Amino acid sequence: GQQLNQSPQSMFIQEGEDVSMNCTSSSIFNTWLWYKQDPGEGPVLLIALYKAGELTSNGRLTAQFGITRKDSFLNISASIPSDVGIYFCAGQPFPRTEKLVFGKGTKLTVNP
Amino acid sequence: DGGITQSPKYLFRKEGQNVTLSCEQNLNHDAMYWYRQDPGQGLRLIYYSQIVNDFQKGDIAEGYSVSREKKESFPLTVTSAQKNPTAFYLCASSTTGQETQYFGPGTRLLVL
Repeated sequence: GQQLNQSPQSMFIQEGEDVSMNCTSSSIFNTWLWYKQDPGEGPVLLIALYKAGELTSNGRLTAQFGITRKDSFLNISASIPSDVGIYFCAGQPFPRTEKLVFGKGTKLTVNP
Repeated sequence: DGGITQSPKYLFRKEGQNVTLSCEQNLNHDAMYWYRQDPGQGLRLIYYSQIVNDFQKGDIAEGYSVSREKKESFPLTVTSAQKNPTAFYLCASSTTGQETQYFGPGTRLLVL
């Protein structure tokens, strides 16, 4: 089945630094979603992308739907300690199915 | 407040016992999903339902059962046939035709 390759697996950064993570696939996707999960909690939707080339911001977060429709990236600017968590990408493959495909997550650690 | 609730937060299962995890949503979403999350793994789909009184197996349905008698509710039963049930279980919902899924806070199932 379709797979999403999410990288990096983990990141250790200093407070104030910018962060970038991405998801890639060999298949085309209709939709890209980015979630954040805190320990012991459910994922929270950060940004949803529906069109190739779309660039969307949510506060210090910016995500883009790749032009090829096979990738997406998430940037976090000026990181703060509460950015710590696991960030997941998810995609709706083409042709459309009822199921999302999930990446395995990027674990972010922010050192104050 | 609109959202998805899961209960209990923690659940303990004895050998040979069936246990049921609750998921309720008041978002008026037609579709509901159950995922299993293991450390270091992406989310794996157990069952999903697009409409009341109908549901479909996901990628790892063996040892699980569900029902969808009401639009708001989608309980998951972990049966004694599931030999490795220890995991974090997440319920999600979405509007039919929309790929964006919203997650509940999760239930952690532990085996005694």
